Amino acid sequence: DADVTQTPRNRITKTGKRIMLECSQTKGHDRMYWYRQDPGLGLQLIYYSFDVKDINKGEISDGYSVSRQAQAKFSLSLESAIPNQTALYFCATSDTGGTEAFFGQGTRLTVV
Amino acid sequence: KQEVTQIPAALSVPEGENLVLNCSFTDSAIYNLQWFRQDPGKGLTSLLLIQSSQREQTSGRLNASLDKSSGRSTLYIAASQPGDSATYLCAAQAGTALIFGKGTTLSVSS
Repeated sequence: DADVTQTPRNRITKTGKRIMLECSQTKGHDRMYWYRQDPGLGLQLIYYSFDVKDINKGEISDGYSVSRQAQAKFSLSLESAIPNQTALYFCATSDTGGTEAFFGQGTRLTVV
Repeated sequence: KQEVTQIPAALSVPEGENLVLNCSFTDSAIYNLQWFRQDPGKGLTSLLLIQSSQREQTSGRLNASLDKSSGRSTLYIAASQPGDSATYLCAAQAGTALIFGKGTTLSVSS
């Protein structure tokens, strides 16, 4: 099993719909992150969490929200999806102190 | 604000060639620098992690160096193979999370 698991792997949704992307990890890491990748733009940080009670906005948090349900689970929600949120979304984890980061396989989201 | 730049954006080489990918960052106060590989439409595979106190790391045909004072890191790939074709991303960690460059897309022809 993968250390960092994202569900779903692919999703097509309609404009205005609420959608949740889920991430779970078996690394035992405290830190979890959500990134978005657009073609030619690299990865941009949406939200990050250093522990269950800690949630922080990244550089592109508008239109997104997150929930850290447990040390191992970090969910990303789009309250009202719009087409320019079509992208590849990645969840990542790292240990306290910012050591090596591990990424999930990504969720390809298409908003039509 | 940390910014990470990768040059070149794309690179094509014949099989067997040695090559260097470049990464520069604006804030030298980093915890570490990590190199990733990404195949089209796929996730990120960690290749090498260099802690701020280290100068280089090696794994097989890959060698990554870090020069914090100049804000630069390089990824050296020896004896390139068609299977090395992918996008290579570098990411610098300074406080909050990894900040990524836009990547170098490598194509190795046989």
